[in-house]
Amino acid sequence: DADVTQTPRNRITKTGKRIMLECSQTKGHDRMYWYRQDPGLGLRLIYYSFDVKDINKGEISDGYSVSRQAQAKFSLSLESAIPNQTALYFCATGGSGRSSYNEQFFGPGTRLTVL
Amino acid sequence: GDSVTQMEGPVTLSEEAFLTINCTYTATGYPSLFWYVQYPGEGLQLLLKATKADDKGSNKGFEATYRKETTSFHLEKGSVQVSDSAVYFCASRGGSYIPTFGRGTSLIVHP
Repeated sequence: DADVTQTPRNRITKTGKRIMLECSQTKGHDRMYWYRQDPGLGLRLIYYSFDVKDINKGEISDGYSVSRQAQAKFSLSLESAIPNQTALYFCATGGSGRSSYNEQFFGPGTRLTVL
Repeated sequence: GDSVTQMEGPVTLSEEAFLTINCTYTATGYPSLFWYVQYPGEGLQLLLKATKADDKGSNKGFEATYRKETTSFHLEKGSVQVSDSAVYFCASRGGSYIPTFGRGTSLIVHP
């Protein structure tokens, strides 16, 4: 089974709708991240969480919110979706504790289209 | 702030050609450096990493050496295959635990 799972894998929605993207991990990691990927722009950080009670905004948090329901679960919400939020969204984990050597583990991504 | 710059793509090669994808970074302190690969329709996965100066990371025939003096971590492979076609991301990560990614370089390998 995959270490980091995302649901749904694909979603088409309309402008103004509320959308939730879910992420679960079995790595036992405290650190979790949400990114969006757009062609030519690479990965941009939306939110990150270093434990259940620690949630932080990334570089492009406007229009998004998150919830860390448990160590293993980190959800991303679009309260009122708009077309320029059409993108590929990735959840990732990044280890625990003080080590900066840990690589990230990515989910398979959610392709979101806002019409 | 920290930044990672990698060569723009796409890089188009014939099978068995030599590959270099350049990556340079700016960071305070001594970050760990990573190369990730993203195959079509998939998430990123770690290809290799190096955690201190002069370390060489290697995996699947790919190599990269952590060069502190030139702040570089170039990815190389001696003989690419069609199956290496993917997008490659260079990344750095320091004590903040927030990785910095380059914009990605698309590699296309023709038979």
